[in-house]
Amino acid sequence: GDSVTQMEGPVTLSEEAFLTINCTYTATGYPSLFWYVQYPGEGLQLLLKATKADDKGSNKGFEATYRKETTSFHLEKGSVQVSDSAVYFCALSASNTGNQFYFGTGTSLTVIP
Amino acid sequence: KAGVTQTPRYLIKTRGQQVTLSCSPISGHRSVSWYQQTPGQGLQFLFEYFSETQRNKGNFPGRFSGRQFSNSRSEMNVSTLELGDSALYLCASRPELHSGGTDTQYFGPGTRLTVL
Repeated sequence: GDSVTQMEGPVTLSEEAFLTINCTYTATGYPSLFWYVQYPGEGLQLLLKATKADDKGSNKGFEATYRKETTSFHLEKGSVQVSDSAVYFCALSASNTGNQFYFGTGTSLTVIP
Repeated sequence: KAGVTQTPRYLIKTRGQQVTLSCSPISGHRSVSWYQQTPGQGLQFLFEYFSETQRNKGNFPGRFSGRQFSNSRSEMNVSTLELGDSALYLCASRPELHSGGTDTQYFGPGTRLTVL
């Protein structure tokens, strides 16, 4: 069935470092891909999404490109800030599975000043 | 538009009791999904409701149930609570405007359930 695999955390970076969080997916159809972020004590918020191959989603300096050939949707940011400390979830949704969302296990990011 | 709201935000129960959690989706959204989030198991899908019908179901025991009302508001119920049911329960809604799975799911802040 459909699934998402994220890199294990936790990840600790210094402020202004480059961030990559790897995400790969398995899907039988043509999924849309999402990155969500969860700040402490809150629910999940959409960070960015891409709905077809080669699309690039971007928001708040974060980017991810939908790569069908490598079934990947890696999250990147050129210069992280302390305020980016949160848990990041990769997810997919596809019409052939009833539009159900499948989430990765989440990657905890801590940015230190 | 108001976001997804969940009530109550915090709840403490004892083993064997039952609990009902409520979720009000964003106005106009017809799909509501529920998730359980724990440190050990991560985010696990419970079920999804669309137009008052359960459309998808995760791998949880029958003690976990839900329903959706005609105004799209949803409730989930957990009977005979166990210690392991302590978790953050998240509700999410989406509009179902597009059939191709492109709709974004919007999450509420969650209900933190503690079972003693």
